[in-house]
Amino acid sequence: ETGVTQTPRHLVMGMTNKKSLKCEQHLGHNAMYWYKQSAKKPLELMFVYSLEERVENNSVPSRFSPECPNSSHLFLHLHTLQPEDSALYLCASSQEASGFNYEQYFGPGTRLTVT
Amino acid sequence: GQSLEQPSEVTAVEGAIVQINCTYQTSGFYGLSWYQQHDGGAPTFLSYNALDGLEETGRFSSFLSRSDSYGYLLLQELQMKDSASYFCAVRDNFNKFYFGSGTKLNVKP
Repeated sequence: ETGVTQTPRHLVMGMTNKKSLKCEQHLGHNAMYWYKQSAKKPLELMFVYSLEERVENNSVPSRFSPECPNSSHLFLHLHTLQPEDSALYLCASSQEASGFNYEQYFGPGTRLTVT
Repeated sequence: GQSLEQPSEVTAVEGAIVQINCTYQTSGFYGLSWYQQHDGGAPTFLSYNALDGLEETGRFSSFLSRSDSYGYLLLQELQMKDSASYFCAVRDNFNKFYFGSGTKLNVKP
């Protein structure tokens, strides 16, 4: 595996379900990100982890819960979602060095549909 | 707050040149990046400008004017495979990235 991988690629869940999205990066990077991409809207940054510590929450509802057990893996735990949470969820990674970090590598995303 | 403005859609023909503009308003600025995203695919990094001026990478060039809070992506010798969405993004002082809504480029034969 190379780059950034995400599983599952597609997910349909009911509003009462609990599911998790997984992201893995094989690039040796030290920062990872979750983004939400909805149609006709900018990519919305949800969470940032740098050196496995969460550095940005960005006012995301508590029904989204991130977890970063190590520098290569990132999870997004989902529970009691709403239909408006249906979107493409993208994971990205980057190498943060001396404050310079401008290139992010994105995974293919998980297309989430909440019914 | 942070905001980036770019046109929603641009159409051009094969072989032509197209310019996609981006204006931004952010607190703290480290640089302007451009990403390409094909339908169903992941965004991929194209270019980055931290200083004023033009950066050229093959058929693609990117320009930045920090005083005008403005940049653009220039695509030359357009090919059908260039049909995609193009996003500008700004990094602030806190390692946070802000993206525009994207410009959908349609390349026609």
